[in-house]
Amino acid sequence: DAKTTQPTSMDCAEGRAANLPCNHSTISGNEYVYWYRQIHSQGPQYIIHGLKNNETNEMASLIITEDRKSSTLILPHATLRDTAVYYCIVRVVGGSEKLVFGKGMKLTVNP
Amino acid sequence: GAVVSQHPSWVICKSGTSVKIECRSLDFQATTMFWYRQFPKQSLMLMATSNEGSKATYEQGVEKDKFLINHASLTLSTLTVTSAHPEDSSFYICSALQEQIPYNEQFFGPGTRLTVL
Repeated sequence: DAKTTQPTSMDCAEGRAANLPCNHSTISGNEYVYWYRQIHSQGPQYIIHGLKNNETNEMASLIITEDRKSSTLILPHATLRDTAVYYCIVRVVGGSEKLVFGKGMKLTVNP
Repeated sequence: GAVVSQHPSWVICKSGTSVKIECRSLDFQATTMFWYRQFPKQSLMLMATSNEGSKATYEQGVEKDKFLINHASLTLSTLTVTSAHPEDSSFYICSALQEQIPYNEQFFGPGTRLTVL
């Protein structure tokens, strides 16, 4: 799977939007962008995924640039419970089902 | 989303003993499950892919004789850490692959904290 790069950490104020960037400049045409998060001492939780169109669900929005080399996960109204490590992963759907986790980014939501 | 459970949630054992960790898909059948290991302040590292009815596929550097995986049913995979040592202390996480159209999805268990004394 293509590698992704994310900032090491980010802080956000409670109630504000949190914009989490991810670079995936070597992404292939058949690779999707997936976002997971891991709250301390828990298993990862799926957030959202997309191929090239922007996506939105009840948890977040995913904005993918037109060239697909980067994306942004948006938590519209961050809460203290959103404090977690966020992982941006690219994978081929229908290919190897392995998920390769990078270092992720620690988001801290402050009161 | 689908639910995956792990048992136990934590375990403490003496060095040299074996420990079994169970991973269950509660509301779907999973031909494929994955086992990960996570050391403190590090990311998840894939250890092996567990395939129902066949041998597991181990990632490079993972000792298959030390980390025994059995996937005897479509809802249960077990990881046995044999002759555990303190360096095996870690957070072990499983995931189960739900096969669906248009794409398969992985659902993760809550993890098992292993401490080897």
